[in-house]
Amino acid sequence: AQKVTQAQTEISVVEKEDVTLDCVYETRDTTYYLFWYKQPPSGELVFLIRRNSFDEQNEISGRYSWNFQKSTSSFNFTITASQVVDSAVYFCALSEASGGSYIPTFGRGTSLIVHP
Amino acid sequence: SQTIHQWPATLVQPVGSPLSLECTVEGTSNPNLYWYRQAAGRGLQLLFYSVGIGQISSEVPQNLSASRPQDRQFILSSKKLLLSDSGFYLCAWRRTSGIQQFFGPGTRLTVL
Repeated sequence: AQKVTQAQTEISVVEKEDVTLDCVYETRDTTYYLFWYKQPPSGELVFLIRRNSFDEQNEISGRYSWNFQKSTSSFNFTITASQVVDSAVYFCALSEASGGSYIPTFGRGTSLIVHP
Repeated sequence: SQTIHQWPATLVQPVGSPLSLECTVEGTSNPNLYWYRQAAGRGLQLLFYSVGIGQISSEVPQNLSASRPQDRQFILSSKKLLLSDSGFYLCAWRRTSGIQQFFGPGTRLTVL
């Protein structure tokens, strides 16, 4: 069965600090997909990124970067020079390709608070 | 482009009253649709999903039901609300050929 662990319940930083959100996953599938979503105080989950299991290339998008390491079953998310607008709950999720339903398993989320 | 709508945005209902939450998707055909509940503590619980009109899969047996009367409409219902039904309800969709889900703005339900 698939499992996603976000061990950090809450992280508090001061603006301009770099912060890394950890995500560790478990799956028996050889083909799977990893995601990060952002949930601001308004509540809507905003899709940030998807990585495929066969593509370990790290990705950078502005101040956001993602480090995918199959050897440690981790998919960590780093925000560089954090801003107050980054304050939100961040969810990591995993979908397995087998069965074709692609229903994701979500971690319990990490609440990031960025202080001015 | 595709958009997903949910209404109402907030709802306060007494225990024992009925419930109807609606979700609609625009700009796509035959989407897979999902209902999630997020209680205090942030975890997302999948309640129902649908791969087509009239096709509903229930993930967790409880006081709720879902229906899909039209291709892009997904309804969450209850005949009698319980206090434990309070929470934040999120609808999501996925392209039939896609992988990631996209979420609606959510409905915050308080049962008193």
